Amino acid sequence: EIVLTQSPATLSLPPGERATLSCRASQTIINYLAWYQRKPGQAPRLLIYDASSRATGIPARFSGSGSGTDFTLTISSLEPEDSAVYFCHQRYDFWTFGQGTTVEI
Amino acid sequence: ITLKEAGPSLVRVTQTLTLTCTFSEFSLKTTGVGVAWIRQPPGKALECLGTIYWNDDKRYTSSLKDRLTFTKDTSRNQVVLRMTNMDPLDTATYFCAHFSSSSSFWLDPWGQGTLVTVSS
Repeated sequence: EIVLTQSPATLSLPPGERATLSCRASQTIINYLAWYQRKPGQAPRLLIYDASSRATGIPARFSGSGSGTDFTLTISSLEPEDSAVYFCHQRYDFWTFGQGTTVEI
Repeated sequence: ITLKEAGPSLVRVTQTLTLTCTFSEFSLKTTGVGVAWIRQPPGKALECLGTIYWNDDKRYTSSLKDRLTFTKDTSRNQVVLRMTNMDPLDTATYFCAHFSSSSSFWLDPWGQGTLVTVSS
């Protein structure tokens, strides 16, 4: 099973700052990685797929990068509504998820 | 596209859990379309339980394959999850999610999830 390790566990930043979230895979997953946002009581929302493609309707401040085993989600300028848990997800070999990073604004 | 999970919030140990995912704006008769079941125990990571495809192919996570069954009812736009021999460790929020070849098989969208507590 491919293990996805996210860091940091929690990120606390003021509005307007840049947030950088990391997801590391236990083996290469090429670019079969997505990022999701989850707010309390809401369904997870797809932000980034194929490591760097922004999903429909996602603001341009969200961007993804990386390939192989190391991936990054960047929020260029934090908005108060970006407070959420962000998790990564791979579908290279079955489907597994990272444990999540909590972003506090 | 929307999906919604429904089922009991409390299940007794050793009982069978039955959850229904009711969806709209897509069909499980369409080539390339599928539904996944995912769960998240409190304080733990998400776990994909498995998938069911338009052609009725199913894939289950290896650790639970002896306890899980997915079925689909295309006339009602529903997918049903059955998990036997429930244990307190199965306490989790259970989600269903849509995927398709047209969106590169990524899980999108998801249902809001339903919390299932297993208790003796």
